[in-house]
Formats: sequence, C-alpha cells, structure tokens
Amino acid sequence: EVQLVESGGGLVQPGRSLKLSCAASGFTFSDYNMAWVRQAPKKGLEWVATIIYDGSRTYYRDSVKGRFTISRDNAKSTLYLQMDSLRSEDTATYYCATLAVNGWFAYWGQGTLVTVSS
Amino acid sequence: DIRMTQSPASLSASLGETVNIECLASEDIYSDLAWYQQKPGKSPQLLIYNANSLQNGVPSRFSGSGSGTQYSLKINSLQSEDVATYFCQQYNNYYTFGAGTKLELK
Repeated sequence: EVQLVESGGGLVQPGRSLKLSCAASGFTFSDYNMAWVRQAPKKGLEWVATIIYDGSRTYYRDSVKGRFTISRDNAKSTLYLQMDSLRSEDTATYYCATLAVNGWFAYWGQGTLVTVSS
Repeated sequence: DIRMTQSPASLSASLGETVNIECLASEDIYSDLAWYQQKPGKSPQLLIYNANSLQNGVPSRFSGSGSGTQYSLKINSLQSEDVATYFCQQYNNYYTFGAGTKLELK
C-alpha cells in the first residue's frame, strides 16, 4: 500500500524558514517523480514544486521561485521542501504527491499545515 | 498560465440522481486532464486521468469526457459517500486546478 506521511508543519513568523518532510513507503520511491501541492484554508489546490525521480531536475511555481527548494533522498525514501522567507500567503496545508510521467497526482499524503503569522 | 474554470461552484443533488460537473480550460489542453475527489478533512483522491481513464479502484459510476477546452465529470446514481468537493486539473502546461465544485445531498 502506498503511504506518504508529511511532517514539519507549524506556526512560523513571516520571513522565517521551515523544512517539510514526506516519508514514502509501499512503492519504489526512486522510480517516481514527486511534487508538493498546497491548499490555503477553505481554498483550492495549487501546485508548488516538482522533482524528477533522480533529483536531476526541479520545477517551481513563480511565486515560490528563489524561496523554496524541493529535494529528495532516495536512500531514505524521503521528499523535502525547504521554505525560506515565508510570507503570510504561504499559509496552507502542504501535500506531497506522486506525479505520473504524464502529469497527474496519483497518490497524496495526509498533509501538514503551515501557518505564517506574527 | 492555463486557467481552469469549473462550474457550478456548488450543487445539491438527491441520492440516485446523475450529476455533471464542467471544467473549461483557457486553451486547448489535448485531454491532459484529471479529476479529483476531496472529502472534508481529507486529502484529494484521483478519480480520472487523461480526461476519461478511470483510476484503479474508483467506482464505475464515475466517468469523464471531453476534448479541446471543455471537459466534464459525470456521477451516475449518486451515493451518500460521493458528498465531497471535486477538482479538475490540467497537466498540458505545468499544473493548474479548477476552483472546485462542492457537492451536497438534497
């Protein structure tokens, strides 16, 4: 059974940093492209970042470029999202998800809530 | 960016009824479209990909159709467990989601 378990969310002040983790199990993590998708409270879904299966390429939405870094450790089957210079508009539940080669998000974690507020 | 416009924003339907949800892309997305179901307090679950392919384990009362810029999700014989918010997503050019359709029971 595919399992994705996010951790690392919490309350953080604007301008500070936070690092999210996503522990994967039940599938061969190193074979899959992965992504972070976020959802602001009572709002819709927004793609944040993608990393290719071997970590060789990464992609970001414009609003997080230069502030967020997606990475992975295939030996530990873990995905990360380093978030720097956080803003109030980054407040959301962050989901990690597997990303099919063609582009749909097949499996999702339960999410971790990030609240940016002073 | 490709914009995805979903309609209606909310709808109320009776058990056993057939429900249709529409998704309009701002440009041709060549059937690069997925549908997700999100129940309250839960993460999204993939229902449909490539506009009309049913994800493993999803009940056959769910179906997708469309091409070009216009797509739809159909739920036949509505069940109580189908109460949820439904999102469309394009993956022709990066990834964008519709705003969602909240489905409730009448």
